[in-house]
Amino acid sequence: GDSVTQMEGPVTLSEEAFLTINCTYTATGYPSLFWYVQYPGEGLQLLLKATKADDKGSNKGFEATYRKETTSFHLEKGSVQVSDSAVYFCALGGATNKLIFGTGTLLAVQP
Amino acid sequence: GAVVSQHPSWVICKSGTSVKIECRSLDFQATTMFWYRQFPKQSLMLMATSNEGSKATYEQGVEKDKFLINHASLTLSTLTVTSAHPEDSSFYICSAKGEREEDTQYFGPGTRLTVL
Repeated sequence: GDSVTQMEGPVTLSEEAFLTINCTYTATGYPSLFWYVQYPGEGLQLLLKATKADDKGSNKGFEATYRKETTSFHLEKGSVQVSDSAVYFCALGGATNKLIFGTGTLLAVQP
Repeated sequence: GAVVSQHPSWVICKSGTSVKIECRSLDFQATTMFWYRQFPKQSLMLMATSNEGSKATYEQGVEKDKFLINHASLTLSTLTVTSAHPEDSSFYICSAKGEREEDTQYFGPGTRLTVL
């Protein structure tokens, strides 16, 4: 079945460092891909999405490109801030409307 | 973006009692709502999918009689945890989606349930 694999955390970075969180997927058909962020004690917020191959989703300095050839949707940011500290979830959405989530990656940014 | 609210944000109850959690889409009509459960430091586990006016579809392993879901209107779904026990303590999150295929799921802030 469909699945999402993302790098295990925690990822600890200094402020202004470059961030990459890897995400790969397995799916039949042509899923949409999402990154959600969860701040401590809160629910998930949609960070960005891409609905077809080669689409690039971007928001708040974060980017991810839908790569069909490598079945990947890696999250990147050029310069992280302390306020970016959160758990990041990669997710896949298929024809059934269900979202399949990765296990989440905790990002801790130190000043 | 679209806003989804949940109430209550946290609840503590005694073992054996029932707890109802509400999920509301505040500024759009949610034809489909989803209920998730999240354990500490783990990902979200989909419990059930509900469409307005019809019975919920439960994921494998989720007890229908224990987790009652009602989606009576296009802006409200409720999850009732019946005869709660300590092992039901968890973070429950709902999400809502509009009727178009490309509509994104928008998540509520979650409800922390603690069963004593």
